[in-house]
Amino acid sequence: QSVLTQPPSVSGAPGQRVTISCTGSSSSIGAGYVVHWYQQLPGIAPKLLIYANTNRPSGVPDRFSGSKSGTSASLAITGLQAEDEADYYCQSYDSSLSVYVFGTGTKVTVL
Amino acid sequence: EVQLVESGGGLVQPGGSLRLSCAASGFTLSTHWMAWVRQAPGKGLEWVANIKQDGSEKTHVDSVRGRFTISRDNPKNSVYLQMNSLRVEDTAVYYCANDGGYGRADYWGQGTLVTVSS
Repeated sequence: QSVLTQPPSVSGAPGQRVTISCTGSSSSIGAGYVVHWYQQLPGIAPKLLIYANTNRPSGVPDRFSGSKSGTSASLAITGLQAEDEADYYCQSYDSSLSVYVFGTGTKVTVL
Repeated sequence: EVQLVESGGGLVQPGGSLRLSCAASGFTLSTHWMAWVRQAPGKGLEWVANIKQDGSEKTHVDSVRGRFTISRDNPKNSVYLQMNSLRVEDTAVYYCANDGGYGRADYWGQGTLVTVSS
């Protein structure tokens, strides 16, 4: 039931910058609902990476940043490191479904 | 240290029932909305249900509404997911998480695997 669309994969060399898009609609991100981002390493529960569009929880490196505009949001990773290789998910609320929804997920590969 | 520990998963036949439990420690569960999130094998995350601090409000995703029920017992610092009329497509790892506001899940359990198969 994913109504937030992400690219299936992105990749970059160590030290590079990569961005992950999260495209919603007028009933989700475009309606003003906040976006959160999660990182999931293989076989482990997701970890909160960015909350309320742009905020980092304590302990999350400032290499990770979030932004939001219109019906979309983005996660940027600068200074890409091998340990950043994981799946990333955005999350928001959809008023037409009356439920929180996650994005389709993006696998980040460090070349 | 906050810990959420799920239990109750396992193998069940289609049409069967299971009750998942989530026990919290280092965390005052009664002050948080709580949620269940699931992940089918090799698939993405799906928000299943959430429940208000006092249990007075609950929401369930369409795919489980009428079959699954979220509940809580604050004195026991626990949250539950009663799953009835299980289907093959309910096979997933089920995670317990807090809902810190607008769906923000700061804390997650390790997950419990539910397999629905004949």
